[in-house]
Formats: sequence, structure tokens, C-alpha cells
Amino acid sequence: NAGVTQTPKFRVLKTGQSMTLLCAQDMNHEYMYWYRQDPGMGLRLIHYSVGEGTTAKGEVPDGYNVSRLKKQNFLLGLESAAPSQTSVYFCASRTGGQEQYFGPGTRLTVT
Amino acid sequence: GENVEQHPSTLSVQEGDSAVIKCTYSDSASNYFPWYKQELGKRPQLIIDIRSNVGEKKDQRIAVTLNKTAKHFSLHITETQPEDSAVYFCAASIAGGGFKTIFGAGTRLFVKA
Repeated sequence: NAGVTQTPKFRVLKTGQSMTLLCAQDMNHEYMYWYRQDPGMGLRLIHYSVGEGTTAKGEVPDGYNVSRLKKQNFLLGLESAAPSQTSVYFCASRTGGQEQYFGPGTRLTVT
Repeated sequence: GENVEQHPSTLSVQEGDSAVIKCTYSDSASNYFPWYKQELGKRPQLIIDIRSNVGEKKDQRIAVTLNKTAKHFSLHITETQPEDSAVYFCAASIAGGGFKTIFGAGTRLFVKA
């Protein structure tokens, strides 16, 4: 099993550009999450999904959209990137009240 | 919504000493409390967790305690080793509603050899 994978690993965007981050898991997990990690602020929940076709807002959803068309994939979109979205993005998945498994992260820089 | 506060933000100990990290949470409905270790440039990894029906849990040199009344939970690492140096995050999660997990800001632990 690959577990949780994320693409791309690194990306540099100019302000106003758009991009999509892909998260994939092969563990048949129902729940998937997108977090951002900034220095000194821990991980903050952006959006999450409780199953295929569902999405919900987390702590810091503004400027991001998500989609879960297939159970194994959770996409995070930035429609018009801003420097404030420079961060490391982690995807995670889990089954019920069990351990979350994290992907390796995507380092995004917006100039 | 849930809020998790974590202290201290930085902790430096001598090898062999104990380290204690403390967290408080705000939502009494939280019932699952994981602790993660994150090494530089790596993903967070679960090291221990505790559920609200348990007061204490131990796994070798690591233990976690939970005080539901006070909404406090703590991580204890005994006989620290240099490889314990990392950032540690506490978190609180509520069953139902997607099992959203709210993280503390993290504690950077330095273990000096």
C-alpha cells in the first residue's frame, strides 16, 4: 500500500494563478482532510470530507475549494493564489475514530 | 468551535531527563486526543492517543494523561534521547461531524546529549 500520497511535492505560483493539489489514498478510508501548516501555528484544517461526494469547511476555508468525486481522491484548489497562501499543505485520511494518516506534504510558495 | 492550547512552545532537556508537554481544550464534546511527532521536513506521525473514557495510557517511555473535568491532557516522555528531538503536537477530535481534529500550535523539544 502506498498509504496517502500528494502531488505535487513542491510548487511556486505567481499571485493570481490557480492550481490544484491532489491527495490520493489506497486504504479505503471514508474521511479525508486538508491542512495547512505555518511556522508556529501547528496544523489548521482547511476543508474535509466525510465520504465520496461530500465536503465541509474547516477552520480556514477562505480562498480554497475542494472536491471528492472519488472516494480515494481529495482535491484542493486555489482559484487565485495569494502570498498569504504560502504554506506547507498536508492531506490526511482516516477511518472513523482511528488514527489519521498523513501524506508527505506539498510545499507551496506564492510570489 | 474547538480550541486547543499547548505549552510550552519550546522545551530543552538534558538527555535522560523527563519532558512534559501540556494541552488544554475548550469543547467538552471532544473525546479523542492524539499526539503527533513531526521531524524536520517530514509528515506528522502518531505516537500515542487517548480516548475520553481513559485517564492514562502508557507506551514504553511515553505516557499521556487526561483530566476531562479540567479539560487538560499531557504528554510525558521519560529517559529522553537525542532522537526524541522534534516538534510535538497535541490535538482534540470529536466523534461525529467528520471527526474534525484541531491541533495545538506545537512544542519544539530539544534533547541535549
